Amino acid sequence: GESVGLHLPTLSVQEGDNSIINCAYSNSASDYFIWYKQESGKGPQFIIDIRSNMDKRQGQRVTVLLNKTVKHLSLQIAATQPGDSAVYFCAEKTGGGNKLTFGTGTQLKVEL
Amino acid sequence: DVKVTQSSRYLVKRTGEKVFLECVQDMDHENMFWYRQDPGLGLRLIYFSYDVKMKEKGDIPEGYSVSREKKERFSLILESASTNQTSMYLCASRPGLAGVYEQYFGPGTRLTVT
Repeated sequence: GESVGLHLPTLSVQEGDNSIINCAYSNSASDYFIWYKQESGKGPQFIIDIRSNMDKRQGQRVTVLLNKTVKHLSLQIAATQPGDSAVYFCAEKTGGGNKLTFGTGTQLKVEL
Repeated sequence: DVKVTQSSRYLVKRTGEKVFLECVQDMDHENMFWYRQDPGLGLRLIYFSYDVKMKEKGDIPEGYSVSREKKERFSLILESASTNQTSMYLCASRPGLAGVYEQYFGPGTRLTVT
């Protein structure tokens, strides 16, 4: 099956800096991507999504960039705060159907 | 807000026991999912259901079964628990609207099989 992977398992940033979390996907037919945040002891929580007909989408303090040429997805968090400390997952949907395929996750640690 | 609840946060069972994990969602969603989450492997889909009494196998259905008798409830069953089923189990739901793919997750059940 298709795989979604992240480049770095752990990312440490200083409070107030910008964070960039990367994700590579292998299926060029994937048409929808989503980022989740999972805090310790909780289920994943939706952050932002993007469809394949877009290159960029912005939310509150977060931006997702999609580069279909190199099959790369990134999540940018502006002015990272201690509350941003969590594991971040990307996921992709391929074609029709219900399934999302999740990456392995990146642990974001915010240092004070 | 969508709420997905799972019957237990922590569960300890013995090898060979039959285990039921329950999930309830309160938003009238058509689609429900069961995942397991293991370190380094991310979330892997076990089963999903797109309607009452309907189910489809995910990527790792072996050793599991599911039941969906009511729209709001989706149960995961381990017929004979084994130690390799020790994991975090996550339930999710999603509306049946075309073009909507965001899944809403419950808090998870950490199952330990001894």
